[in-house]
Amino acid sequence: QVQLQESDPGLVKPSETLSLTCTVSGGSIGTYYWSWIRQPPGKGLEWIGHIYYSGSTHYNPSHKSRVTMSVDTSKNLFSLHLRSVTAADTALYFCARQILGAKHDVWGQGTMVTVSS
Amino acid sequence: QSVLTQPPSASGTPGQGVTMSCSGSSANIGTYSVSWYQQLPGTAPKLLIYSNNQRPSGVPDRFSGSKSGTSASLAISGLQSEDEAYYSCAAWDDSLNGPVFGGGTKLTVL
Repeated sequence: QVQLQESDPGLVKPSETLSLTCTVSGGSIGTYYWSWIRQPPGKGLEWIGHIYYSGSTHYNPSHKSRVTMSVDTSKNLFSLHLRSVTAADTALYFCARQILGAKHDVWGQGTMVTVSS
Repeated sequence: QSVLTQPPSASGTPGQGVTMSCSGSSANIGTYSVSWYQQLPGTAPKLLIYSNNQRPSGVPDRFSGSKSGTSASLAISGLQSEDEAYYSCAAWDDSLNGPVFGGGTKLTVL
């Protein structure tokens, strides 16, 4: 079955760029939307945006000015870049396969990103 | 502040049933179907219910979902200790043009 695995950047300094990669295994990245979702400590889930296998993207307006997503179908992976991070970006970051609307049926295990100097 | 509103906590004893609510607006739940996720602390959410009341393969029929107007509910019957987790609702939102989530309800099995 399809499995997702996020990269692990760990600690990111304020004002720098947070970069994450999600590798898709056990299936093709094709024909699906792929989301990035985060969860600050003790808070609810927040959708950051998604990318279609063709490369088209849609971002949460709250982060649109700082976010870039990309996909590499040859390597079966997709990526998130979040610029100018602050402590408010400290969160557990998940990649997930979006089937329809709010239905995300496969999730990565999540990677904790801490923004601190 | 989450777009969808859920009570922070719920509880029940083994064998009992419990129901959790999720409140939204016409921009989300009122128009689109609802999904529910189960999450243990520090782990990834697991899809529990989609399209308001559909269960993915492998999810026990003790879990059921419903929707009415701008609210949705998740019901769990025959509570088991392993049901102790956080439960979050989600729906597409016209304002965001993306999915929105509730803050999550922590279920304690006493």
